[in-house]
Amino acid sequence: SQTIHQWPATLVQPVGSPLSLECTVEGTSNPNLYWYRQAAGRGLQLLFYSVGIGQISSEVPQNLSASRPQDRQFILSSKKLLLSDSGFYLCAWSAWYTGGEDGYTFGSGTRLTVV
Amino acid sequence: SQKIEQNSEALNIQEGKTATLTCNYTNYSPAYLQWYRQDPGRGPVFLLLIRENEKEKRKERLKVTFDTTLKQSLFHITASQPADSATYLCARGGADGLTFGKGTHLIIQP
Repeated sequence: SQTIHQWPATLVQPVGSPLSLECTVEGTSNPNLYWYRQAAGRGLQLLFYSVGIGQISSEVPQNLSASRPQDRQFILSSKKLLLSDSGFYLCAWSAWYTGGEDGYTFGSGTRLTVV
Repeated sequence: SQKIEQNSEALNIQEGKTATLTCNYTNYSPAYLQWYRQDPGRGPVFLLLIRENEKEKRKERLKVTFDTTLKQSLFHITASQPADSATYLCARGGADGLTFGKGTHLIIQP
């Protein structure tokens, strides 16, 4: 069966510090991978998606970047965090052969607080 | 712009009754819509997908409808239980990323 792992669960970081959040998927090959952010009082916002190694599409210009160094690994990074980067970050995957029609599977999320 | 909208206010339903949640879309004709459940501090969980040519889809106590004339999808939970309390999200899109509504917070009162 497929599983998705995301860590850490919570993170408190000072303004200006770097960020690295990691997501890995097990039990499937060539998944489509996604990073979402959910800010307080706002809906889920798509940040990045990837259809393959090294292929990253950015949906929102911002202080963040993403990388996919391996087929089932997706990393969200920042060189210098801003207060506005606080939020609930979610990684998700969908099967490439269904075009997302089997639904997305989300990780358990990382609660990031920038202080 | 393409929008997908849900009533993000809390919806209070008495246990045993049917809860009905609404998802409206504008400036867009989605081929399908997806519904998810999200509990506090957790990631959303996929529930159902309904295509534009499907008027209705069911899964256990869940029922989803898709009305392309009204540009609306309705999500029903029959015989609601307190364990059904959560935020329910409607989403459109495909492999290049889903766009979610803000969700409806459903509270089932015993």
